[in-house]
Amino acid sequence: NAGVTQTPKFQVLKTGQSMTLQCAQDMNHEYMSWYRQDPGMGLRLIHYSVGAGITDQGEVPNGYNVSRSTTEDFPLRLLSAAPSQTSVYFCASSYIGLNAEAFFGQGTRLTVV
Amino acid sequence: AQSVTQLDSQVPVFEEAPVELRCNYSSSVSVYLFWYVQYPNQGLQLLLKYLSGSTLVKGINGFEAEFNKSQTSFHLRKPSVHISDTAEYFCAVTLMIKAAGNKLTFGGGTRVLVKP
Repeated sequence: NAGVTQTPKFQVLKTGQSMTLQCAQDMNHEYMSWYRQDPGMGLRLIHYSVGAGITDQGEVPNGYNVSRSTTEDFPLRLLSAAPSQTSVYFCASSYIGLNAEAFFGQGTRLTVV
Repeated sequence: AQSVTQLDSQVPVFEEAPVELRCNYSSSVSVYLFWYVQYPNQGLQLLLKYLSGSTLVKGINGFEAEFNKSQTSFHLRKPSVHISDTAEYFCAVTLMIKAAGNKLTFGGGTRVLVKP
């Protein structure tokens, strides 16, 4: 009964380093997405996917890359970390459908120094 | 483009008192409306959603929300809060058009602190 699993929970990076945030879901959801959460700004959509092999940009995609090779996994890559990418990152999944409930992981707290 | 405004960033409230969290939205097309809750150090979970029909929606943990189309609002209420309701609450919308997919647009969040 895992739901949406994100790793790692915490990460500190130096400016310019790259890393991958992992996200896996076991509910066979077609739709997966990545959000970043910043104080007072709610959650903003970075990238999303409607199925394996299909990804698209959200509201704030710059500096991030995604791929979706399987239904279960949707990793988020930071290509060259910047202090502005210090944030809490959430992965979410749902069935395709305008009113579908989104299920969220517990988040990854990333600090870029 | 759509937007969601949560009018209060923080709401302190005493235990067993009522609470109302305000949410207004702006959109050129019809929307579905959601409230999510984030307990400390956790991800978000769905409290309730409005799709159609009765404008009063009941959710989990005694929360309810009322959709007001003329005022483009979806305020969340609970008649008597508990310490365990201390959390951050997010109002969100999805557009009622297929091309928009499942994309959620969130408000800035309201942090509720329940005091004994």
